[in-house]
Amino acid sequence: GQNIDQPTEMTATEGAIVQINCTYQTSGFNGLFWYQQHAGEAPTFLSYNVLDGLEEKGRFSSFLSRSKGYSYLLLKELQMKDSASYLCAVRDGDYKLSFGAGTTVTVRA
Amino acid sequence: DAGITQSPRHKVTETGTPVTLRCHQTENHRYMYWYRQDPGHGLRLIHYSYGVKDTDKGEVSDGYSVSRSKTEDFLLTLESATSSQTSVYFCAISESAGQTNSPLHFGNGTRLTVT
Repeated sequence: GQNIDQPTEMTATEGAIVQINCTYQTSGFNGLFWYQQHAGEAPTFLSYNVLDGLEEKGRFSSFLSRSKGYSYLLLKELQMKDSASYLCAVRDGDYKLSFGAGTTVTVRA
Repeated sequence: DAGITQSPRHKVTETGTPVTLRCHQTENHRYMYWYRQDPGHGLRLIHYSYGVKDTDKGEVSDGYSVSRSKTEDFLLTLESATSSQTSVYFCAISESAGQTNSPLHFGNGTRLTVT
């Protein structure tokens, strides 16, 4: 099975930067995904990393270190609409995507 | 947005009754998944399908069965509902698997309450 850990909650101020860490253990790594989920809604795809390094997409960036079993999601220039849960997920083998419990980010004015 | 429809969106049922949730996709994607989401546990995989009539168990499959007779439909059945199966159920689809940038796209979820 999977062991995916991420912090439960984080709070930050509008306009600031927040970094959400994710550590994982897996036997057959085939990529790491980040999802955003607003309360009462479905998760939506943010980013994918399969090689080491940083992937940047606008205000969001995601980093992966396979040797350390570590990823982070960086949210820059925080906006109120970024208040949501952020889910780290690892593809183990061909099909299964296993999720961490999620990090709830609250953005304060 | 990916064309995924879950039905019903909300359901209240009694302990011991069978319940079937439906997931319908219009994307012709090969892979389909059922997850449940509970506070403190995140999304947990119940069953998945890698083709018509090809299904396999996930990490929390006890008490659940699935069927996929057509590419577009993936059904989740609770044989005899229990209160522990009160949850939000999400269906997801993906175009490909393995080491590909092929994310899961989720339906809007079904909120099931077992009384």
